[in-house]
Amino acid sequence: AQSVTQPDIHITVSEGASLELRCNYSYGATPYLFWYVQSPGQGLQLLLKYFSGDTLVQGIKGFEAEFKRSQSSFNLRKPSVHWSDAAEYFCVARGRAGNMLTFGGGTRLMVKP
Amino acid sequence: SQTIHQWPATLVQPVGSPLSLECTVEGTSNPNLYWYRQAAGRGLQLLFYSVGIGQISSEVPQNLSASRPQDRQFILSSKKLLLSDSGFYLCAWTVYNEQFFGPGTRLTVL
Repeated sequence: AQSVTQPDIHITVSEGASLELRCNYSYGATPYLFWYVQSPGQGLQLLLKYFSGDTLVQGIKGFEAEFKRSQSSFNLRKPSVHWSDAAEYFCVARGRAGNMLTFGGGTRLMVKP
Repeated sequence: SQTIHQWPATLVQPVGSPLSLECTVEGTSNPNLYWYRQAAGRGLQLLFYSVGIGQISSEVPQNLSASRPQDRQFILSSKKLLLSDSGFYLCAWTVYNEQFFGPGTRLTVL
């Protein structure tokens, strides 16, 4: 069965520190991969996506993610976290032939001043 | 440009009352449309999706239903709400392999 796993439910980092949010997927073939961010009470905003090609993708708000086929991972990174980055982050996959998204359980990021 | 609207933004309803949440998209035609629910402290659950007018697929059996009376309109309904229907409901649509989400409706069932 297709699945997306975000091992960390909560992460707390200090402002200015680096960040890495983990994501692993299980799919028959390499899916399309996305990271979304959800601020409290808000909808989901797309941060970045991977379809093919360069395995390091750049997104909005200074985020990047690296696709590693050998590890079935698509980890999200940011070199220096800002207080406004506190939110919930979802790793999402979609099969290349299908219509449906598979969501990870989400990682809630808290930023200490 | 394409936009997606949801209303109402928030809703408080008593148990047993009916529900109607509306989602409309602009700037596109024949979109694939989706309803998700996000319960408190949990991830997103796909409820329904639609590939065209009158075409609804249900992912999870429950007391909710969906309808697509027009190409760019997707409605989520219930005849009798349960406490467990409380949550954040998101409408989404797909374009070029990306899915875009509406602002959501916060439903509280008391």
